Amino acid sequence: KNQVEQSPQSLIILEGKNCTLQCNYTVSPFSNLRWYKQDTGRGPVSLTIMTFSENTKSNGRYTATLDADTKQSSLHITASQLSDSASYICVVSAENSGYALNFGKGTSLLVTP
Amino acid sequence: GAGVSQSPRYKVTKRGQDVALRCDPISGHVSLYWYRQALGQGPEFLTYFNYEAQQDKSGLPNDRFSAERPEGSISTLTIQRTEQRDSAMYRCASQSIGNTGELFFGEGSRLTVL
Repeated sequence: KNQVEQSPQSLIILEGKNCTLQCNYTVSPFSNLRWYKQDTGRGPVSLTIMTFSENTKSNGRYTATLDADTKQSSLHITASQLSDSASYICVVSAENSGYALNFGKGTSLLVTP
Repeated sequence: GAGVSQSPRYKVTKRGQDVALRCDPISGHVSLYWYRQALGQGPEFLTYFNYEAQQDKSGLPNDRFSAERPEGSISTLTIQRTEQRDSAMYRCASQSIGNTGELFFGEGSRLTVL
């Protein structure tokens, strides 16, 4: 059973608009949550990593939020650009002896002119 | 090495053949993860190691898949008797000690089973 669920599965927005991607997880005990951007045919690139005590973290036009109580995270993209078109993957790590990674299936974002 | 290196970058094989995919992590990185992505799909976790110990192999699809990391460095993912459904990009990532370290991803091995 996938312990990380992302929504929407895909999204199309106009250039310049904002959007928010969601990541809900059941991973426990929680250690950290990462957002990655993956361009087609390329490997993932880290956007943010947040631990239990962090509620929000920004990286340029990307802002991630984390609510560890409800086990939800969001990635907000401001003033979208064509180059934001990519898959965005949420990865949640469990705090145990093994540090397992749990991958979401990603949200495919298309920014159109 | 400077980054995570995977080989081969591309592998085309006939159904029924065995393939071995190699991941050479960043020197000194403790954790090594294998996952795969079918075309247009999200990532699918396969297995991971801390040092030479395989921590979780629950993501391996079936017993045709196996992985090893005998000296805690290079890892090999082996697929026996390949099937067309095994076609995907197989990626590995490594992480330094600790759970919040940066993950470094390899460029992947694109496997095509004819």
